[in-house]
Amino acid sequence: ETGVTQTPRHLVMGMTNKKSLKCEQHLGHNAMYWYKQSAKKPLELMFVYNFKEQTENNSVPSRFSPECPNSSHLFLHLHTLQPEDSALYLCASSQETGGTYGYTFGSGTRLTVV
Amino acid sequence: DAKTTQPNSMESNEEEPVHLPCNHSTISGTDYIHWYRQLPSQGPEYVIHGLTSNVNNRMASLAIAEDRKSSTLILHRATLRDAAVYYCILRPTGTASKLTFGTGTRLQVTL
Repeated sequence: ETGVTQTPRHLVMGMTNKKSLKCEQHLGHNAMYWYKQSAKKPLELMFVYNFKEQTENNSVPSRFSPECPNSSHLFLHLHTLQPEDSALYLCASSQETGGTYGYTFGSGTRLTVV
Repeated sequence: DAKTTQPNSMESNEEEPVHLPCNHSTISGTDYIHWYRQLPSQGPEYVIHGLTSNVNNRMASLAIAEDRKSSTLILHRATLRDAAVYYCILRPTGTASKLTFGTGTRLQVTL
């Protein structure tokens, strides 16, 4: 267990479904992140939250909707996804967003869109 | 963000040291050098980071060239559990600094 917990570990959803991914950390970190890792591609940063405020949206389609109710929890709401959205979705946290701080990653949610 | 260059893959024998190189010729004076690794079916894991001086921790050592244009991650005794993709990443010290991943080096460890 890394300190960042993601649920569920695996998710299969249809293109018309609505589902949510959950991320939780109790490390006292103030910044949280969503990354996407598609097969054979580098990790792509999707969203950055710092002290519950979204500070970056890396041109992510609106069918992905993040929510950060507090510094310990981060959600990714999914609706009307496409098969190409199938990927490993990783959550991470860090003390702050500055370059001196390392990230702690969760184990990810393996999403399959059918 | 400044770019890093790493070999696509490397092989090592178990219980031998491994030196993973990273070139970053366009590094700026305020860029930290971070190393992460990703084991199969897991999220990336922080390994080590440094600015100018060599760094050691329980996982690895980081050797930084005097001109900072290259660095080497050193695993002192590779085990099968060290087989992973290793990423060398430059991060500015600014408050909006991001962790941007490249393709990394896939390390294979054999008996």
